[in-house]
Amino acid sequence: EAQVTQNPRYLITVTGKKLTVTCSQNMNHEYMSWYRQDPGLGLRQIYYSMNVEVTDKGDVPEGYKVSRKEKRNFPLILESPSPNQTSLYFCASSWARSTDTQYFGPGTRLTVL
Amino acid sequence: AQKVTQAQTEISVVEKEDVTLDCVYETRDTTYYLFWYKQPPSGELVFLIRRNSFDEQNEISGRYSWNFQKSTSSFNFTITASQVVDSAVYFCALSGRDRDDKIIFGKGTRLHILP
Repeated sequence: EAQVTQNPRYLITVTGKKLTVTCSQNMNHEYMSWYRQDPGLGLRQIYYSMNVEVTDKGDVPEGYKVSRKEKRNFPLILESPSPNQTSLYFCASSWARSTDTQYFGPGTRLTVL
Repeated sequence: AQKVTQAQTEISVVEKEDVTLDCVYETRDTTYYLFWYKQPPSGELVFLIRRNSFDEQNEISGRYSWNFQKSTSSFNFTITASQVVDSAVYFCALSGRDRDDKIIFGKGTRLHILP
C-alpha cells in the first residue's frame, strides 16, 4: 500500500531534550516536506527536500533540522525543543515538486513541557 | 510573496444546504497550482483537487465543484446538498513554479454540517 508513515504518532517530552520524528514514504517520491499545524494558523511549511542531500527552508524553519540521506526517509529533528514547538506535525511527499499532489502522513502530535 | 486567504474561519449549515468555501490567493508566478485538502475530525489530510493556472475550467466531482477565476484570484469550493460527513476543516493551498518549491496553505475553514 502506497503510504507516508510517521513515528511516533504521539510524543510528550520536556524542554531541551533532543528528539527525532521519522518520516518514510514507499512511493519513490522525490519531494518531501514537513509542516506544523497550529490552531488558527493552518499548515505552515517547515522544511522541504527536492531530492537526496537537497533540503531547503520553508516558512518556519527556526528550531528544526532535517536530513535527506535516503530518498524514502526525511526525519525532522528538534535539537532543543521548546514549548512553542508544541504542535501537530505532518510529513508529506509528492512525485517531483511542490506543485504535484502532496500525500500526507497521519500526523505526529508533539507536546513539549 | 505568495499568500492564501480563507476568510471564513468557521461555517455552519444545515444538512442538504449548499455551501461555498472561499479561497483568495496572491502570487507573482505565472505558472502555479492550487489545491484543496480536507481534514476530517479523524485528523488525516485528504487531497481533493489540484488545478493549474492555465486551466480555468470549472471542475465538478459528484457533490463537489470548484470555481477558478484568475481575474479575481479566487478558487472557491462548493458542496451541493451537504451531508454530515462533509463536516471537516478545509484547506486551500498554493504552489508556484517560478521561484521556489514552497507550498502555502490558507488557515482553513471549519465546516459544520448540522443534522
